[in-house]
This record gives sequence, structure tokens and C-alpha cells, in this order.
Amino acid sequence: GENVEQHPSTLSVQEGDSAVIKCTYSDSASNYFPWYKQELGKRPQLIIDIRSNVGEKKDQRIAVTLNKTAKHFSLHITETQPEDSAVYFCAAIPGGGTSYGKLTFGQGTILTVHP
Amino acid sequence: DAGITQSPRHKVTETGTPVTLRCHQTENHRYMYWYRQDPGHGLRLIHYSYGVKDTDKGEVSDGYSVSRSKTEDFLLTLESATSSQTSVYFCAISASTGAETQYFGPGTRLLVL
Repeated sequence: GENVEQHPSTLSVQEGDSAVIKCTYSDSASNYFPWYKQELGKRPQLIIDIRSNVGEKKDQRIAVTLNKTAKHFSLHITETQPEDSAVYFCAAIPGGGTSYGKLTFGQGTILTVHP
Repeated sequence: DAGITQSPRHKVTETGTPVTLRCHQTENHRYMYWYRQDPGHGLRLIHYSYGVKDTDKGEVSDGYSVSRSKTEDFLLTLESATSSQTSVYFCAISASTGAETQYFGPGTRLLVL
């Protein structure tokens, strides 16, 4: 099955700096890669996603890049703010007609933005 | 937030007792999922459903069963709870498979003593 590795497990930055979180996946047929943000005690919420036919996607201060050849994708947050502090999860949906949207998640990255 | 609720939100139970968690949606989405979240493991899929009475196992299904008798409800049962099933359980829904957003419920925190 699909395996997703996420790094780093913790990331500490100063307000205004950029943060980058990287994930690798094993199934070359995977075709959908969402990123979720989870604040303490809350549910995971989608912040951005990318499909396998796109190399990069941006939404204001957040961007995701995908390298299908190397089987890795990254989350980039620019001009970080204290409210960006949370746990971030990457995920992938394995390819194939019977995937049924079964997400495989990375282990998570705890991002702390210091004022 | 999408119309997803989970009940109970918190539960304490004893080893060996059966426990049922409920996920209820008002979005009429076809696909529903149960995940558990544990430190260091992210979220792991337990079971999923692709329609009424259509369910299948996920990555960590041992000790769990599910049922879906109507579109809006997806039940997760711990047949005989063990301490290793202490976790936070999240339900998720999706309108379609593949490249489609999954929306998560608020979670159920379960403690098995």
C-alpha cells in the first residue's frame, strides 16, 4: 500500500520567516495530495491540495509543489504568523479505480511561529 | 464546517466492554471514513464506506466493525475495547473518491481503562 513520510516532525520559525514541510510517497500512481492543518483539540481542516497533473499551486501565503518523478511534495508558508502555529499533515490517495478516496497520512509536523 | 457531527464527543469505558461511536452527516455524501489519531502516527484509516451497506477495511481494522444502514449515519463499534484503542477518533466524508476533499468531524476522545 501507499506509504507517506513527512519531515520535519517539528519546525520552529520566527514570525515573518518562511516554513517548508516535505513529504514523500511510495505509490507512483497516487494522484491527489491534500494538506491539512490541525489546531490543538480541533479537527483537521484542508488548507490546500494539488492534483498529479499540476506542478504547483498557490493560495495567498500558502503554496504546494509536486515532483512526480521524485515522488515528493512540499508545503511552503511565507510570511508566517503566530496563528499559523499548528500541526500540519500531508496525505496522498493511492491510484487505481478502487482507491475509494482512502487517504494515507504523513506523521505530522508541529509548526511553532514565535512572535 | 461541513454538516458532520460525532457522538459521543468524550467517552471513558472499561476494558472488555463494547463501544459504539456514531458519525452523522447532513451533506448526503456517499463516502464516509473512520480514522484514529495517535501521537507519532498521524491519522490512520480504520474502515470506510462507499455506500449504504457497502463497507471495507482500512489500514488498522482489527478489533473494529462498522455499519451503515442509511446514507447519513456511519457507526464504528469496538467489539471488546482494549487499552490500545484509547485514541481520538475522527469521521470524514467525501462527495466522491479520488481527487475530492474530505471533511472531518469534530472527533471523539475515547479512553479505555
